[in-house]
Amino acid sequence: GENVEQHPSTLSVQEGDSAVIKCTYSDSASNYFPWYKQELGKRPQLIIDIRSNVGEKKDQRIAVTLNKTAKHFSLHITETQPEDSAVYFCAALWGDNAGNMLTFGGGTRLMVKP
Amino acid sequence: NAGVTQTPKFQVLKTGQSMTLQCAQDMNHEYMSWYRQDPGMGLRLIHYSVGAGITDQGEVPNGYNVSRSTTEDFPLRLLSAAPSQTSVYFCASRDPSGGSYNEQFFGPGTRLTVL
Repeated sequence: GENVEQHPSTLSVQEGDSAVIKCTYSDSASNYFPWYKQELGKRPQLIIDIRSNVGEKKDQRIAVTLNKTAKHFSLHITETQPEDSAVYFCAALWGDNAGNMLTFGGGTRLMVKP
Repeated sequence: NAGVTQTPKFQVLKTGQSMTLQCAQDMNHEYMSWYRQDPGMGLRLIHYSVGAGITDQGEVPNGYNVSRSTTEDFPLRLLSAAPSQTSVYFCASRDPSGGSYNEQFFGPGTRLTVL
């Protein structure tokens, strides 16, 4: 199956700074990479995703980049705000036509200091 | 739509007890899965199902059973609870049509403590 590693495990930034979270994956056949945000005591929710035929995708202050050759992808948050404080998970879709499942990274706790 | 629902929200068990965590979705999603999230850790796949009558093991299946008799429901059974199963359990569902790129939706979670 797929193995996804995520770094760093914790990240502290000042409000207004940028934050970058990086993930690597092992299965070169993986073709879909979502990012989830989990606020304290809540369920994970999708914030952005990218397919393997795209190198970069942006949605307002967040962006994701993908390097298929190196098998890594990153989440970029610009102009961070206190409400960005949460745990962020990357994931990769693995499997064959019999079933595709998501494997998650270990998570990054982002703290935005006002 | 209610989305993905889970019951109960909280549960305390004694070692050796059995119980079933309920999960239901009203989005007609074929794919459903169960994850556990331990403190400070990521989401680990326990079992998953790609359709009614079809289930398979994930990364950490030991001590858990699942069944999928309908598209809507995907219960998770703890056979003989152990303290190592203390965790938050999330059920999730996804519609694989359209190239398997569709969003995976999570339920609100069940916080389980085994004493």
